Amino acid sequence: DSGVTQTPKHLITATGQRVTLRCSPRSGDLSVYWYQQSLDQGLQFLIHYYNGEERAKGNILERFSAQQFPDLHSELNLSSLELGDSALYFCASRRDLAGGRSEQFFGPGTRLTVL
Amino acid sequence: AQKVTQAQTEISVVEKEDVTLDCVYETRDTTYYLFWYKQPPSGELVFLIRRNSFDEQNEISGRYSWNFQKSTSSFNFTITASQVVDSAVYFCALSERETSGSRLTFGEGTQLTVNP
Repeated sequence: DSGVTQTPKHLITATGQRVTLRCSPRSGDLSVYWYQQSLDQGLQFLIHYYNGEERAKGNILERFSAQQFPDLHSELNLSSLELGDSALYFCASRRDLAGGRSEQFFGPGTRLTVL
Repeated sequence: AQKVTQAQTEISVVEKEDVTLDCVYETRDTTYYLFWYKQPPSGELVFLIRRNSFDEQNEISGRYSWNFQKSTSSFNFTITASQVVDSAVYFCALSERETSGSRLTFGEGTQLTVNP
């Protein structure tokens, strides 16, 4: 158990709909990263939040948005869903260690199926 | 830009064979971190190891060992005496703390199948 929780575990919805994926980082971790794993694109970085602020964006579509709340949990919102959005969405939290090192652990993922 | 290449898409071995998974990376940072993750059929990403760019000492953990060579930009992973439970997709990843805020760039993954 990595200590990172994600809900729901599975989500099935229809094209055009909107969904929200939730992530709770490990206790004390300020950073949250979202990744998408799809068959054609592999594992891709979407977005990074640190203590409530957006820090970096990767290949995230305009239809997708995210935020990190004061309690540090994060939500990834996907709207106007298309078949191609079907993927496994991972959240990861990072803990900074001494000497410039860090640990990044992943949640179990949310499997999104768009029909 | 950072890039990770895992040239082996699929590897199939028989139990008890040794197997090496290759990983080659590209980065412009002088300080970076390399990772290996395991993704079993259940789908979760399991952390295996993290190496710092300034520490080229090889590491062994049980049946797992990692060979980090800066000269060839490679970070290969060897499983000794493979077991059926080792069957999974293995991902190599790179993090450039300075330029990308520690986001991970993953390779394409290597599907390892260990047959009894």
